[in-house]
Parts: sequence; structure tokens; C-alpha cells
Amino acid sequence: GIQVEQSPPDLILQEGANSTLRCNFSDSVNNLQWFHQNPWGQLINLFYIPSGTKQNGRLSATTVATERYSLLYISSSQTTDSGVYFCAVEPGYGGATNKLIFGTGTLLAVQP
Amino acid sequence: AAGVIQSPRHLIKEKRETATLKCYPIPRHDTVYWYQQGPGQDPQFLISFYEKMQSDKGSIPDRFSAQQFSDYHSELNMSSLELGDSALYFCASSPSLENTGELFFGEGSRLTVL
Repeated sequence: GIQVEQSPPDLILQEGANSTLRCNFSDSVNNLQWFHQNPWGQLINLFYIPSGTKQNGRLSATTVATERYSLLYISSSQTTDSGVYFCAVEPGYGGATNKLIFGTGTLLAVQP
Repeated sequence: AAGVIQSPRHLIKEKRETATLKCYPIPRHDTVYWYQQGPGQDPQFLISFYEKMQSDKGSIPDRFSAQQFSDYHSELNMSSLELGDSALYFCASSPSLENTGELFFGEGSRLTVL
């Protein structure tokens, strides 16, 4: 099956710093989403981005489907950005299932 | 905007007991997905339903069963619970299986098996 790898696995930032999280996937995809899992366990949708670039406030994301990667940019980080960031993809084979395969996540800690 | 509603939010059970989790999708969403997230793990796909029929199946134990009802809500039934079933269970919904689209997740149900 498709492999979804995220890097770095862990990241510690000072408040106000910028960061880039990467998601590599091993096969074509129909769908790609970025999620933030907060310390209470809630999975929050950040971006639905099978291709192209999107921005939402301090966050932006870019997916280059032909090269099988996506990037999540966090600017001017805040302590509330702490948590785990997941990339999840729907494989492009087997027809439309909308089933998401999650990556291993990046654990982000933003220190005041 | 209405979100995916899961209940209960927290559940504590003994080994060998049975548990039922409920999921109410976003209105007009006809596809429901169940995921299991163990401690320190990423969410793993269990099963999905489209228009009340099972549409896909992942690594769901035989002790677990699920269904989607006529009002599109779904229930995940877990029997003969084991310690390893302790996890966060997420339900997600999407507008239609026929269109590749965004999944929206509920806040999860945390199951603890003692």
C-alpha cells in the first residue's frame, strides 16, 4: 500500500519562529489533507489540498502531486500551535474511496 | 456550522465487556468513516459506509461490527473488549463517496479498557 512519511518527527520552536513540515507519499493520490491534533486529541482540519497552494492566516500549504510531496508552513508560531500535525492521503488507485491513510505525524512544541 | 457529533466522549469498560460508539455525520453527508488511534499512533482506518452499505474495510477486528442507519448515523459495536482496544475512536463524514472530497472528523470517543 501507499507509504506516507512525515518529517521531521519532532520539532521544538521558540514562539515567533517559522517552520516547514514535509509529507512525502509513495504513490499517486486523489486527496491530501493536513490536520492538527491538539493536546486534547481533537483532529482539526487545516487544509484540503490535493494540489496547488492554499493559505489560511499564519498557515499555508503546498502540494506538488507530480513529485509526491506536500509542505505545511507555519509562520510566527504560537504556543497554541503545539500538538501533532498529520498529513493524510487518499490513494489514487482502487477507485474513489475517500479513505485517508495517515502519516506518522510531526510533534510540534512551541515554547514561550 | 454543524460538525460531526460523537458519543460518548469518554467510556470506561472492563475486559470482555461490550461497548457501542455513536456517530452523527454532518447534515447531507452520506458517507461515514471510523478510525482507531492508539496511544502515540496515527489514526488507522477501520471501516466506512456509503448510503447505509459498507463501502470499505480496513484493519477492523472480527469482534467489532458497525452499521449505518437510515438517518445516516453510524454505530460501532465492540465486543469481548481487550486491553489493547483502549484508544481514541474517530468518526468522520464526507459529502459523497462519488466525489473525492474532504473528510471532517468528530472530536473522538476515548475508550479505556481496564
